[in-house]
Amino acid sequence: SQTIHQWPATLVQPVGSPLSLECTVEGTSNPNLYWYRQAAGRGLQLLFYSVGIGQISSEVPQNLSASRPQDRQFILSSKKLLLSDSGFYLCAWSVLARNTDTQYFGPGTRLTVL
Amino acid sequence: GDSVTQMEGPVTLSEEAFLTINCTYTATGYPSLFWYVQYPGEGLQLLLKATKADDKGSNKGFEATYRKETTSFHLEKGSVQVSDSAVYFCALSGGLTGGGNKLTFGTGTQLKVEL
Repeated sequence: SQTIHQWPATLVQPVGSPLSLECTVEGTSNPNLYWYRQAAGRGLQLLFYSVGIGQISSEVPQNLSASRPQDRQFILSSKKLLLSDSGFYLCAWSVLARNTDTQYFGPGTRLTVL
Repeated sequence: GDSVTQMEGPVTLSEEAFLTINCTYTATGYPSLFWYVQYPGEGLQLLLKATKADDKGSNKGFEATYRKETTSFHLEKGSVQVSDSAVYFCALSGGLTGGGNKLTFGTGTQLKVEL
């Protein structure tokens, strides 16, 4: 069966510090990978997605970046965090099957920028 | 662009009450529709889905029917339990440039079930 891991689970960082969040998927090959952010009391916003190694697309302009160095690894980064980067970051994976692309989510990382 | 509208919460019910959470959508083409559930402090779990008009998704006593004519995907459960307390998200799936599918989410509806 497939599993998705995210770490760290919780992170508190000062403004201006760097960020690296990691997501890995097990039990599947060549998944589509996604990073979402959930701000407090709001819905989820797609930040980045990747359909293959080294292929990254951004949905919204921001000071975050993403990389996919391996097939089942997806990393979210920032060189300098802003207060507005606080939120709950969720990684998701999907594989097209029967013309449906269901996304499955990891446990999330709660980031607080102070 | 695509959008999903959910009823405002929080919704507070007594145990064994009937639940309806309304969801309507705007989309081009024929998206797949989903309900996800988020328990406190956790990620999202897929609750049910429907991929075409008139499909009914069901899981754990929850049901939702894909109504193309009313562009709706309302979530229902006949008898809620305290353990159903969570935030429920309606979402639709649309294509992304270069592959993959983007989920567009509603803002979520918080459900609280009391004894």
